Amino acid sequence: DGGITQSPKYLFRKEGQNVTLSCEQNLNHDAMYWYRQDPGQGLRLIYYSQIVNDFQKGDIAEGYSVSREKKESFPLTVTSAQKNPTAFYLCASSTSRTDTQYFGPGTRLTVL
Amino acid sequence: RKEVEQDPGPFNVPEGATVAFNCTYSNSASQSFFWYRQDCRKEPKLLMSVYSSGNEDGRFTAQLNRASQYISLLIRDSKLSDSATYLCVVPRGGTYKYIFGTGTRLKVLA
Repeated sequence: DGGITQSPKYLFRKEGQNVTLSCEQNLNHDAMYWYRQDPGQGLRLIYYSQIVNDFQKGDIAEGYSVSREKKESFPLTVTSAQKNPTAFYLCASSTSRTDTQYFGPGTRLTVL
Repeated sequence: RKEVEQDPGPFNVPEGATVAFNCTYSNSASQSFFWYRQDCRKEPKLLMSVYSSGNEDGRFTAQLNRASQYISLLIRDSKLSDSATYLCVVPRGGTYKYIFGTGTRLKVLA
């Protein structure tokens, strides 16, 4: 089945630790995105990538890092510099910049 | 003015009712628009895309009003399973950035 997978579904982290969230897609999409969703708020863009080996900061990139070494994969690292990392993290992909975005099931990160 | 604005609701409607939500946007250059449905603690899923004047899919109709810069979503014959949050999404013109509204919550009551 084609789609986007994210792992893990739930993640608990101690303060001061870095953690990496996985996102894989087999839709052959060029563009991939990371969003964060907090209760009562819309999705906010963290990073996006239009093509392999290229990525751009979104609206709330501070405290996060990404890589795009393969078309299929766009992992997100939440570093200890992110002040309020507890949130629902969603990965998405699309064929172009005006096309439909498809989302993975999300990772719920809790910092203890 | 926010780039994308939605009434958060909740809209509580009885089964079988017709309900409509609006979403206003500020970028007049936007060409495509999307409605997503998001269930509690799940990922958003595409409901409808709107590229011109409107789109219809079964009980769902999306309309675009460029002059007033809003899109609407009409749901006819509401089902219990339509209970969800409906997100309005507008690509930020000329970029890969999509702007998400905060969503409108719908509760269909038995």
